[in-house]
Amino acid sequence: ILNVEQSPQSLHVQEGDSTNFTCSFPSSNFYALHWYRWETAKSPEALFVMTLNGDEKKKGRISATLNTKEGYSYLYIKGSQPEDSATYLCAFIRNNNDMRFGAGTRLTVKP
Amino acid sequence: NAGVTQTPKFQVLKTGQSMTLQCAQDMNHNSMYWYRQDPGMGLRLIYYSASEGTTDKGEVPNGYNVSRLNKREFSLRLESAAPSQTSVYFCASRDGTILSYGYTFGSGTRLTVV
Repeated sequence: ILNVEQSPQSLHVQEGDSTNFTCSFPSSNFYALHWYRWETAKSPEALFVMTLNGDEKKKGRISATLNTKEGYSYLYIKGSQPEDSATYLCAFIRNNNDMRFGAGTRLTVKP
Repeated sequence: NAGVTQTPKFQVLKTGQSMTLQCAQDMNHNSMYWYRQDPGMGLRLIYYSASEGTTDKGEVPNGYNVSRLNKREFSLRLESAAPSQTSVYFCASRDGTILSYGYTFGSGTRLTVV
């Protein structure tokens, strides 16, 4: 069984707070990791594609790091805004078509 | 609008009925995928098509069939719907290597089997 775990399951923060959440995955057979942002009533949108141990990616106030040796990735949001409210999914990839999603972290940012 | 289009958006079926979920993309992507989303679980892969003319089983293929009709279209068929197939279904597509490109998802089909 291939487990991709995301924690916490949900998170409520105030506008302006910085926050982070975790994606844990098997440390063997790593090929790539994706992060997606999924707003309510919309479809998931790709945020980051990460492939190398030590990778750091950034898009605006959102950044992600990757540790393939210990099997985790962190997603950070600096100065959260209400429009950041969404579910953030990570997906662990073992080969070009085997992508396994975590259950997601649901972020709510209160004004 | 460019992207992945799914039809229908909502459907209610009786147990034992059949139906086909349609998916089309206009981005000239090679690979297409069908996922299901259930509460508390991640998206789970049902079937995928790495290129036109090929299809392969994913994590949860039982009870489903697929057809890659052409490069644009990838349909998912439920031959005899069961309540366990109540779910939200997402179609996705991708071009190039998974090392460089994320998936583009459709807006989903919410299916209820009663």
